Amino acid sequence: EVQLVESGGGLAQPGGSLRLSCAASGFIFSSYWMTWVRQAPGKGLEWVGCINVDGNEKYYVDSVKGRFTISRDNAKNSLYLQMNSLRVEDTALYYCARHVVGSRSFDYWGQGSLVTVSS
Amino acid sequence: DIQMTQSPSSVSASVGDRVTITCRASQGLSASRSPLAWYQQKPGKAPKLLIYDASTLQTGVPSRFSGSGSGTDFTLTISSLQPEDFATYYCQQAGSVPWTFGQGTKVEVK
Repeated sequence: EVQLVESGGGLAQPGGSLRLSCAASGFIFSSYWMTWVRQAPGKGLEWVGCINVDGNEKYYVDSVKGRFTISRDNAKNSLYLQMNSLRVEDTALYYCARHVVGSRSFDYWGQGSLVTVSS
Repeated sequence: DIQMTQSPSSVSASVGDRVTITCRASQGLSASRSPLAWYQQKPGKAPKLLIYDASTLQTGVPSRFSGSGSGTDFTLTISSLQPEDFATYYCQQAGSVPWTFGQGTKVEVK
C-alpha cells in the first residue's frame, strides 16, 4: 500500500525556518517525481514545487523561490521541504504527493503537515 | 503564469443529476497529452486524483466521472451524481511551470 506521511510542521515566527519531511512507503520511491502542494486555511490548492527522481532537477513557484528548497534521500525513501525566511502568508497545510508515471499529475497524497507562521 | 478559471464556483445538485464543471486556461496548454488533471477534495481530507491528461480516468475512479477538452477549455462531467460525490473539485494544469490549480468548484446538496 502506497503511503506518504508528512511531519515537521508547527509554529514558526516570521523570518524563521522549518523543515518538513515526507516518509514514503509501499512503492519504489526512487522511480517517482515528487511534489509539494499547500493549502492555506479555507483556501484552494497551490503547487509549491517538485523534484525529479535523481534530485538534480527542481522547480518552484515564484513566491517561494530562494526561500524554500526541495530535496530527497532515495536511500531513506524521504522527501524534504526546507523552508527559510518564512512569511505569514506561508501558513498552510503542506502536502507531499507522488507523480503519476509519465505525467505531471499527482496520484497519491499524504495527510498534510500544518505550518503556522505567526508572531 | 497560466491562470486556471473554473466555473461555476459552486453548484447545487441532487443525487442522479448530471454535473458539468468547466476549467479555462489563460493560455493554451501544450498540444501533446493535454496536461490537465481533475481532483476531488472532501473536508479534512487530501485531494484525490480523478482524471489526468485531460481524459484518462485514474485507476479505481468510477466511470461516471469523465474529462474532455484541449487547448484552453476543459470539462469534468459527473454523469449521475452520487451521495459520495458532494465535494470540492479542482483542475490543475501542468503545461508550464508554475503548475497551477483552479479556484475550486463546490458541489453542494440541492
